Amino acid sequence: NAGVTQTPKFQVLKTGQSMTLQCAQDMNHEYMSWYRQDPGMGLRLIHYSVGAGITDQGEVPNGYNVSRSTTEDFPLRLLSAAPSQTSVYFCASSYSRREHTGELFFGEGSRLTVL
Amino acid sequence: QQQVKQSPQSLIVQKGGISIINCAYENTAFDYFPWYQQFPGKGPALLIAIRPDVSEKKEGRFTISFNKSAKQFSLHIMDSQPGDSATYFCAAASLYNTDKLIFGTGTRLQVFP
Repeated sequence: NAGVTQTPKFQVLKTGQSMTLQCAQDMNHEYMSWYRQDPGMGLRLIHYSVGAGITDQGEVPNGYNVSRSTTEDFPLRLLSAAPSQTSVYFCASSYSRREHTGELFFGEGSRLTVL
Repeated sequence: QQQVKQSPQSLIVQKGGISIINCAYENTAFDYFPWYQQFPGKGPALLIAIRPDVSEKKEGRFTISFNKSAKQFSLHIMDSQPGDSATYFCAAASLYNTDKLIFGTGTRLQVFP
């Protein structure tokens, strides 16, 4: 199993450009989420999904969109990038909270720079 | 508002010493407290977790101590090794929603030989 796979690993954007960060998992996990990691601020939840067709907002959702058309994929879209979105983004997945201990499995991250 | 406060921000320990990282929370609905370990260039990975029905949990050299009345919990790394050098995050969640973890700000641990 590959686990949680994120692409791209690195990306540079200009202000106002749009892009999609891809996330795929092969563990048949119901739950998927996106976090951003910034120095001194830890990991902050952007959006999450408890299953295909269901998404919800986390702590810092503004400027980001998500969709969940399949169990495996959970892309994160930036419609109009801003310098404040410069960060390292992590996708994570886990089993349904009804059946597991709460462990999140993270991808290796996507480093985004917005100029 | 930071719901989980973590300290210190950075920690330098000699090989063989004890590393201690502290976290405090405010939301009394939190009842699941994991610690994640992150190496440079990698995603975080679950290290150890505790639920409030016990005051301490030990796995090898890693121990979580939990004080429910003070709303505090801490990670102790005994006999710290250079391979333990990483960033450590505490987190908290409700058992009814363990996927919506709230993370602390992280502690960068450096263990020198």
